[in-house]
Amino acid sequence: QKEVEQNSGPLSVPEGAIASLNCTYSDRGSQSFFWYRQYSGKSPELIMSIYSNGDKEDGRFTAQLNKASQYVSLLIRDSQPSDSATYLCAVLPGGSTLGRLYFGRGTQLTVWP
Amino acid sequence: DADVTQTPRNRITKTGKRIMLECSQTKGHDRMYWYRQDPGLGLRLIYYSFDVKDINKGEISDGYSVSRQAQAKFSLSLESAIPNQTALYFCATSTLMGNIQYFGAGTRLSVL
Repeated sequence: QKEVEQNSGPLSVPEGAIASLNCTYSDRGSQSFFWYRQYSGKSPELIMSIYSNGDKEDGRFTAQLNKASQYVSLLIRDSQPSDSATYLCAVLPGGSTLGRLYFGRGTQLTVWP
Repeated sequence: DADVTQTPRNRITKTGKRIMLECSQTKGHDRMYWYRQDPGLGLRLIYYSFDVKDINKGEISDGYSVSRQAQAKFSLSLESAIPNQTALYFCATSTLMGNIQYFGAGTRLSVL
């Protein structure tokens, strides 16, 4: 069983702060890592992907990957109330399950004004 | 128009009824997926298909069946609905490498 673990939260931060979301995974051969944002009652939408160790920045979002520690994180700088959503970590393992994503249960983020 | 279209968007049915949820896509992707989402449990994979002749069970396939009628169409059936199948259902598609999945708007199903 390929596990993807996230802190369920909820995580609550004030507007303008940095929100830090964390994810660990069990399959050491995993190749690709994704963060999806899901507003209540809506479908998940991809916000970040990362494939190699280190940081990847896109606007206010930074994904960080450490394959040795089997850890991926998402930082949201200058958090806005519109960032309030559930964030899903997803992992694409290698091997025979290539092409099948494994999702964590999600972390609920609330940004208060 | 949405690239991944799910119908119906909402459905209320009774225990024991057979129902079908439909998904169609215009993205030209080979791979299609059906997920179920329950509060606190995240997304759980029901079935997935890597092409028209390939159907695979996910982690929670019991009580469900699927049909891949064409590259663009993937249907999910509940042969005899039960109340614990009440959930939000998502269809998704991805490219051949499965790197990025694109989700439909979801079908909210209630089984009474």
